[in-house]
Amino acid sequence: DTGVSQNPRHKITKRGQNVTFRCDPISEHNRLYWYRQTLGQGPEFLTYFQNEAQLEKSRLLSDRFSAERPKGSFSTLEIQRTEQGDSAMYLCASRLSRGDTQYFGPGTRLTVL
Amino acid sequence: GQQVMQIPQYQHVQEGEDFTTYCNSSTTLSNIQWYKQRPGGHPVFLIQLVKSGEVKKQKRLTFQFGEAKKNSSLHITATQTTDVGTYFCAGFQAGTALIFGKGTTLSVSS
Repeated sequence: DTGVSQNPRHKITKRGQNVTFRCDPISEHNRLYWYRQTLGQGPEFLTYFQNEAQLEKSRLLSDRFSAERPKGSFSTLEIQRTEQGDSAMYLCASRLSRGDTQYFGPGTRLTVL
Repeated sequence: GQQVMQIPQYQHVQEGEDFTTYCNSSTTLSNIQWYKQRPGGHPVFLIQLVKSGEVKKQKRLTFQFGEAKKNSSLHITATQTTDVGTYFCAGFQAGTALIFGKGTTLSVSS
Protein backbone atom coordinates (compact mmCIF):
# COMPACT_ATOMS: atom_id res chain seq x y z
CA ASP A 1 0.00 0.00 0.00
CA THR A 2 1.60 3.24 -1.10
CA GLY A 3 -0.98 5.59 0.41
CA VAL A 4 -0.98 7.60 3.63
CA SER A 5 -1.45 5.38 6.68
CA GLN A 6 -2.55 6.32 10.17
CA ASN A 7 -2.50 4.41 13.43
CA PRO A 8 -4.48 3.64 15.40
CA ARG A 9 -7.69 3.86 13.41
CA HIS A 10 -9.77 4.20 16.54
CA LYS A 11 -8.89 5.35 20.05
CA ILE A 12 -11.16 5.51 23.06
CA THR A 13 -9.73 7.20 26.12
CA LYS A 14 -10.83 8.70 29.38
CA ARG A 15 -10.78 12.41 29.98
CA GLY A 16 -7.43 13.55 31.28
CA GLN A 17 -5.40 10.83 29.60
CA ASN A 18 -2.72 11.47 26.98
CA VAL A 19 -2.99 10.01 23.49
CA THR A 20 -0.58 9.81 20.55
CA PHE A 21 -1.39 9.22 16.92
CA ARG A 22 0.97 8.31 14.12
CA CYS A 23 0.93 9.22 10.45
CA ASP A 24 3.08 7.65 7.74
CA PRO A 25 2.92 9.79 4.60
CA ILE A 26 3.58 8.67 1.05
CA SER A 27 7.33 8.04 1.06
CA GLU A 28 8.57 10.80 -1.25
CA HIS A 29 6.20 13.46 0.07
CA ASN A 30 8.00 16.14 2.05
CA ARG A 31 4.87 18.06 3.07
CA LEU A 32 2.68 16.66 5.83
CA TYR A 33 -0.51 18.12 7.28
CA TRP A 34 -2.71 17.36 10.27
CA TYR A 35 -6.42 18.18 10.25
CA ARG A 36 -9.28 17.62 12.65
CA GLN A 37 -12.80 16.84 11.44
CA THR A 38 -15.96 16.78 13.52
CA LEU A 39 -19.37 15.59 12.39
CA GLY A 40 -20.93 17.80 9.78
CA GLN A 41 -17.82 19.92 9.32
CA GLY A 42 -15.02 20.05 6.83
CA PRO A 43 -11.48 19.22 7.89
CA GLU A 44 -9.90 21.98 10.00
CA PHE A 45 -6.20 22.64 9.57
CA LEU A 46 -4.06 21.99 12.65
CA THR A 47 -0.43 22.04 11.59
CA TYR A 48 1.97 21.59 8.67
CA PHE A 49 5.46 20.17 8.27
CA GLN A 50 7.90 20.54 5.44
CA ASN A 51 10.38 17.77 5.99
CA GLU A 52 11.13 17.85 9.73
CA ALA A 53 10.31 21.55 10.19
CA GLN A 54 6.94 22.51 11.62
CA LEU A 55 6.19 25.61 9.57
CA GLU A 56 2.66 26.50 10.49
CA LYS A 57 0.27 25.95 13.39
CA SER A 58 -3.40 26.84 13.67
CA ARG A 59 -4.87 28.72 16.60
CA LEU A 60 -6.89 25.51 17.08
CA LEU A 61 -3.70 23.81 18.21
CA SER A 62 -3.76 24.55 21.93
CA ASP A 63 -0.70 23.94 24.08
CA ARG A 64 -2.11 20.52 24.96
CA PHE A 65 -1.41 19.49 21.38
CA SER A 66 2.06 18.81 20.07
CA ALA A 67 3.19 17.40 16.76
CA GLU A 68 6.57 16.15 15.63
CA ARG A 69 8.17 14.83 12.49
CA PRO A 70 11.65 14.02 13.77
CA LYS A 71 13.24 12.55 10.65
CA GLY A 72 11.07 14.14 8.04
CA SER A 73 9.21 10.89 7.45
CA PHE A 74 6.44 9.80 9.84
CA SER A 75 4.75 12.26 12.17
CA THR A 76 3.11 11.99 15.58
CA LEU A 77 0.34 14.09 17.09
CA GLU A 78 0.05 14.00 20.87
CA ILE A 79 -2.84 15.35 22.88
CA GLN A 80 -2.22 15.78 26.58
CA ARG A 81 -4.94 15.86 29.25
CA THR A 82 -7.65 15.02 26.74
CA GLU A 83 -11.03 16.73 27.00
CA GLN A 84 -14.38 15.59 25.65
CA GLY A 85 -14.20 18.39 23.10
CA ASP A 86 -11.15 16.70 21.58
CA SER A 87 -13.37 13.90 20.27
CA ALA A 88 -13.04 14.03 16.50
CA MET A 89 -11.49 12.38 13.47
CA TYR A 90 -7.82 13.34 13.15
CA LEU A 91 -6.71 13.27 9.54
CA CYS A 92 -3.21 13.33 8.14
CA ALA A 93 -2.43 14.32 4.57
CA SER A 94 0.72 14.53 2.51
CA ARG A 95 1.89 15.86 -0.81
CA LEU A 96 5.05 16.34 -2.76
CA SER A 97 4.98 20.07 -3.35
CA ARG A 98 2.65 23.04 -3.08
CA GLY A 99 0.74 22.57 -6.28
CA ASP A 100 0.38 18.82 -6.11
CA THR A 101 -2.51 16.65 -5.08
CA GLN A 102 -2.95 16.29 -1.33
CA TYR A 103 -3.59 12.69 -0.26
CA PHE A 104 -5.46 12.02 2.95
CA GLY A 105 -5.01 9.04 5.22
CA PRO A 106 -7.96 7.08 6.65
CA GLY A 107 -7.89 9.06 9.90
CA THR A 108 -7.82 8.23 13.60
CA ARG A 109 -11.18 8.53 15.31
CA LEU A 110 -10.74 9.70 18.89
CA THR A 111 -13.48 9.33 21.46
CA VAL A 112 -12.91 10.92 24.87
CA LEU A 113 -15.23 9.61 27.56
CA GLY B 1 -9.75 35.22 8.80
CA GLN B 2 -10.62 33.66 5.52
CA GLN B 3 -13.89 31.77 5.34
CA VAL B 4 -15.11 29.31 2.73
CA MET B 5 -18.85 28.79 2.59
CA GLN B 6 -20.77 26.12 0.73
CA ILE B 7 -24.42 25.81 -0.16
CA PRO B 8 -26.58 23.88 0.09
CA GLN B 9 -25.61 21.91 3.18
CA TYR B 10 -27.71 18.94 2.08
CA GLN B 11 -29.23 17.94 -1.23
CA HIS B 12 -31.37 14.96 -2.05
CA VAL B 13 -32.01 14.05 -5.68
CA GLN B 14 -33.59 11.25 -7.65
CA GLU B 15 -31.15 9.23 -9.68
CA GLY B 16 -30.74 10.85 -13.07
CA GLU B 17 -31.32 14.41 -11.83
CA ASP B 18 -28.59 17.02 -11.88
CA PHE B 19 -26.86 18.40 -8.79
CA THR B 20 -24.90 21.59 -8.14
CA THR B 21 -22.99 22.78 -5.09
CA TYR B 22 -21.64 26.30 -4.71
CA CYS B 23 -18.59 27.53 -2.89
CA ASN B 24 -17.86 31.14 -1.90
CA SER B 25 -14.77 32.61 -0.29
CA SER B 26 -14.52 35.81 1.69
CA THR B 27 -11.17 36.51 0.02
CA THR B 28 -9.60 35.95 -3.38
CA LEU B 29 -8.17 32.46 -3.72
CA SER B 30 -4.95 31.50 -5.44
CA ASN B 31 -6.62 28.23 -6.36
CA ILE B 32 -9.47 26.04 -5.23
CA GLN B 33 -9.65 22.31 -4.71
CA TRP B 34 -12.60 19.95 -4.56
CA TYR B 35 -12.78 16.77 -2.51
CA LYS B 36 -15.32 13.97 -2.12
CA GLN B 37 -15.81 12.11 1.13
CA ARG B 38 -17.90 8.97 1.15
CA PRO B 39 -19.77 8.08 4.36
CA GLY B 40 -17.22 6.68 6.81
CA GLY B 41 -14.34 7.53 4.49
CA HIS B 42 -11.71 10.19 4.16
CA PRO B 43 -11.57 13.12 1.74
CA VAL B 44 -10.42 12.18 -1.75
CA PHE B 45 -9.01 14.82 -4.06
CA LEU B 46 -11.07 15.45 -7.18
CA ILE B 47 -9.59 18.48 -8.91
CA GLN B 48 -7.74 21.77 -8.57
CA LEU B 49 -8.70 24.97 -10.39
CA VAL B 50 -6.16 27.74 -10.72
CA LYS B 51 -7.11 30.18 -13.46
CA SER B 52 -9.83 32.81 -13.34
CA GLY B 53 -12.92 31.55 -15.18
CA GLU B 54 -11.48 28.07 -15.52
CA VAL B 55 -13.83 25.19 -16.35
CA LYS B 56 -12.80 21.55 -16.06
CA LYS B 57 -14.77 18.40 -16.71
CA GLN B 58 -14.40 14.90 -15.37
CA LYS B 59 -16.97 12.69 -17.05
CA ARG B 60 -20.30 13.83 -15.54
CA LEU B 61 -18.66 16.37 -13.20
CA THR B 62 -18.09 19.99 -14.26
CA PHE B 63 -16.05 22.34 -12.10
CA GLN B 64 -15.95 26.11 -12.50
CA PHE B 65 -13.80 28.81 -10.94
CA GLY B 66 -15.27 32.29 -10.91
CA GLU B 67 -13.79 35.23 -12.75
CA ALA B 68 -12.96 36.98 -9.49
CA LYS B 69 -11.49 33.76 -8.05
CA LYS B 70 -13.78 34.01 -5.05
CA ASN B 71 -16.36 31.41 -5.97
CA SER B 72 -16.59 28.00 -7.53
CA SER B 73 -19.16 25.39 -8.38
CA LEU B 74 -19.39 21.67 -8.94
CA HIS B 75 -22.14 20.35 -11.19
CA ILE B 76 -22.98 16.68 -11.60
CA THR B 77 -25.06 15.68 -14.60
CA ALA B 78 -27.44 12.73 -14.33
CA THR B 79 -26.53 11.67 -10.81
CA GLN B 80 -25.94 8.04 -9.96
CA THR B 81 -26.08 6.29 -6.59
CA THR B 82 -22.28 6.14 -6.66
CA ASP B 83 -22.21 9.95 -6.42
CA VAL B 84 -23.44 9.80 -2.82
CA GLY B 85 -21.15 11.55 -0.35
CA THR B 86 -20.06 14.93 0.90
CA TYR B 87 -18.39 17.31 -1.51
CA PHE B 88 -15.96 19.84 -0.06
CA CYS B 89 -14.32 22.82 -1.64
CA ALA B 90 -11.08 24.10 -0.12
CA GLY B 91 -9.00 27.19 -0.74
CA PHE B 92 -5.56 28.20 0.35
CA GLN B 93 -5.17 30.82 3.03
CA ALA B 94 -2.08 33.00 2.87
CA GLY B 95 0.58 30.50 3.71
CA THR B 96 0.00 26.84 3.28
CA ALA B 97 -3.18 26.02 5.17
CA LEU B 98 -6.10 24.69 3.16
CA ILE B 99 -9.39 26.11 4.41
CA PHE B 100 -12.30 23.75 3.84
CA GLY B 101 -15.95 24.59 3.50
CA LYS B 102 -18.49 22.62 5.55
CA GLY B 103 -19.40 20.56 2.55
CA THR B 104 -22.56 19.62 0.69
CA THR B 105 -23.91 16.18 1.45
CA LEU B 106 -25.56 14.56 -1.53
CA SER B 107 -27.99 11.70 -1.24
CA VAL B 108 -29.41 9.93 -4.29
CA SER B 109 -32.44 7.70 -4.38
CA SER B 110 -33.00 5.20 -7.17
